[in-house]
Amino acid sequence: DVKVTQSSRYLVKRTGEKVFLECVQDMDHENMFWYRQDPGLGLRLIYFSYDVKMKEKGDIPEGYSVSREKKERFSLILESASTNQTSMYLCASSPSFGGEQYFGPGTRLTVT
Amino acid sequence: GDSVTQMEGPVTLSEEAFLTINCTYTATGYPSLFWYVQYPGEGLQLLLKATKADDKGSNKGFEATYRKETTSFHLEKGSVQVSDSAVYFCALGASYDKVIFGPGTSLSVIP
Repeated sequence: DVKVTQSSRYLVKRTGEKVFLECVQDMDHENMFWYRQDPGLGLRLIYFSYDVKMKEKGDIPEGYSVSREKKERFSLILESASTNQTSMYLCASSPSFGGEQYFGPGTRLTVT
Repeated sequence: GDSVTQMEGPVTLSEEAFLTINCTYTATGYPSLFWYVQYPGEGLQLLLKATKADDKGSNKGFEATYRKETTSFHLEKGSVQVSDSAVYFCALGASYDKVIFGPGTSLSVIP
C-alpha cells in the first residue's frame, strides 16, 4: 500500500513564526502536492512538484514556499505564519500527473 | 477550463437507504474520473476510479460509471451503513493539467 505520512497531526504556532510541514511518501512517486482545506472552500492547491528540486505554484501560493530535495520528501514552509493560515493541510503524491492521488492524514495547523 | 460540479449537501439518509451523489464534469480532453472519501479527521482516500468512457469503477459496494454522453460520474450505493458517513469528493484528472476536485458532499447515515 502507498503510504504518505505527515510530520504532525496537530500543530499550534504563533503569528510570525516560521513553520515547516513535512511530507514523506514511500512509493517512489514523481508528483507531490500540498493542499489546504477550509470549510466551504474545498481543497485548494498551494504548490506541487513533478520532480526533485522542481516546483510549481498552485492556485494559492502566496505566503508559502516549498522544498523538494529528495524524491520522497516534500516540505511546505510558512515563512511568517499568520492567523489566516490556520487550516487543515493535506499532502498527496501521485505516480502520474492527472492520475490518482494518495493523501496523508493531514496536519491541522492553528496560528494564534 | 476543466471543471467538476457536485450536488450540494449535506445529505442525510437512514441506514440501508439507496445513495446517489451526482457529479458532472466539463473537460476539453479525455480525463480520468475519481471518487474520493474523507472520514472525519482524516485525509482523502481514493474510493474508485474510471479511466475511459463506459468504464465502471467499484469498491466497498460503491459504484460509478463514466458517461461521456452526459458528462457524468454519479456515485451510487445500494444500501448505506452508518460507517459510510463521510465527505465524498468527485475529481477529474487529465495528463495535461492538475487534478480538479469538486467541493465535496457530506453524507450522514443515521441508524
